[in-house]
Amino acid sequence: GNSVTQMEGPVTLSEEAFLTINCTYTATGYPSLFWYVQYPGEGLQLLLKATKADDKGSNKGFEATYRKETTSFHLEKGSVQVSDSAVYFCALSVIGGGYQKVTFGTGTKLQVIP
Amino acid sequence: GAVVSQHPSRVICKSGTSVKIECRSLDFQATTMFWYRQFPKQSLMLMATSNEGSKATYEQGVEKDKFLINHASLTLSTLTVTSAHPEDSSFYICSARSEGRGAYEQYFGPGTRLTVT
Repeated sequence: GNSVTQMEGPVTLSEEAFLTINCTYTATGYPSLFWYVQYPGEGLQLLLKATKADDKGSNKGFEATYRKETTSFHLEKGSVQVSDSAVYFCALSVIGGGYQKVTFGTGTKLQVIP
Repeated sequence: GAVVSQHPSRVICKSGTSVKIECRSLDFQATTMFWYRQFPKQSLMLMATSNEGSKATYEQGVEKDKFLINHASLTLSTLTVTSAHPEDSSFYICSARSEGRGAYEQYFGPGTRLTVT
């Protein structure tokens, strides 16, 4: 089956520090990969995505590259801000049974302190 | 564009009663809608998938008679939790996709926090 594995949190960083949140996956077929962000008390927002190998998704200073050889999609940001504090979910989607199915990782909580 | 709303955002109900949660796509037609449940500090678990005008497809272990899903139009899906119990307390999130917006992306609603007392 399909699965997504994320590093466990919480991750606590000082403002302007470098961020990496690891994500690896197993999937049948050719998945698309996503990072979603959930701010406290809110639903999920799509942060970035990549639909094929070697694609790089980027948004708001965050980046992730679809690495097929290592089945990874690690999230990075060069300089985090307090406002980046949230839970980050890595996810993949495949088409199965005629419709898209999304599998989420368990989420990684990021805390950025001033 | 691609906004999905949920109503209510929070609801408290008594054990044994039923509660309905609405999910609407505001600026696109959602051919497929998904309902997820999120437990504290855990990931989202897909409960069911619904296509407009047809019966929902439930994931294994989800009671279809307890969690009634109706996708009556291309912009509205409802989840009714029947005879709610405290263990049904959770954060319920819907998402929607449209074939016209690409096959790989779902747009998520802000979620509904259900508390059963």
